[in-house]
Amino acid sequence: GQSLEQPSEVTAVEGAIVQINCTYQTSGFYGLSWYQQHDGGAPTFLSYNALDGLEETGRFSSFLSRSDSYGYLLLQELQMKDSASYFCAVLSGYSTLTFGKGTMLLVSP
Amino acid sequence: DTGVSQDPRHKITKRGQNVTFRCDPISEHNRLYWYRQTLGQGPEFLTYFQNEAQLEKSRLLSDRFSAERPKGSFSTLEIQRTEQGDSAMYLCASSQTLAGATDTQYFGPGTRLTVL
Repeated sequence: GQSLEQPSEVTAVEGAIVQINCTYQTSGFYGLSWYQQHDGGAPTFLSYNALDGLEETGRFSSFLSRSDSYGYLLLQELQMKDSASYFCAVLSGYSTLTFGKGTMLLVSP
Repeated sequence: DTGVSQDPRHKITKRGQNVTFRCDPISEHNRLYWYRQTLGQGPEFLTYFQNEAQLEKSRLLSDRFSAERPKGSFSTLEIQRTEQGDSAMYLCASSQTLAGATDTQYFGPGTRLTVL
């Protein structure tokens, strides 16, 4: 079966840096994706890691260690608009994404 | 460039009724996916199409659920004899298969179903 673990909630202040961790156990692994979802909105793609290492896209970076079945999303220079739920998702089949339960990020002034 | 659109955005129905949702993917995308999301959970894969072919269905997908993509463009998801447990957000996503690259799935705004 597939299982992904991520913290349910993280809080931080504006301007800070926050890291959201994700560990996974899957049968078959192609890569790890991260999505952002504001309340009532659609999941929005943030990043994808197929190989070990760090991928940087603006204020957001994502890391993957395949040997540890572990990844994280790093958000820098936090802004109020970053308050949202963040999901890690494993691409385990040819096109099938399996999502974690999500981490709610609360950014305060 | 329009994104993925879904219609209706909200649907309230009584238990036992049939409902149908529509998804229009990004125009050049050949893959289309349906997911279901309940409160406090991540999206759960239901099924996906490549062009008009339905290539995979979740084992969790009840026989009351059926999806079509007749011309390889828009798709419909029908739920027959709805149950209260079907209440959820139904999300559609699309992607474009590129040789040598992993296709990124882009989500629509979803249809929120409430079964009374």
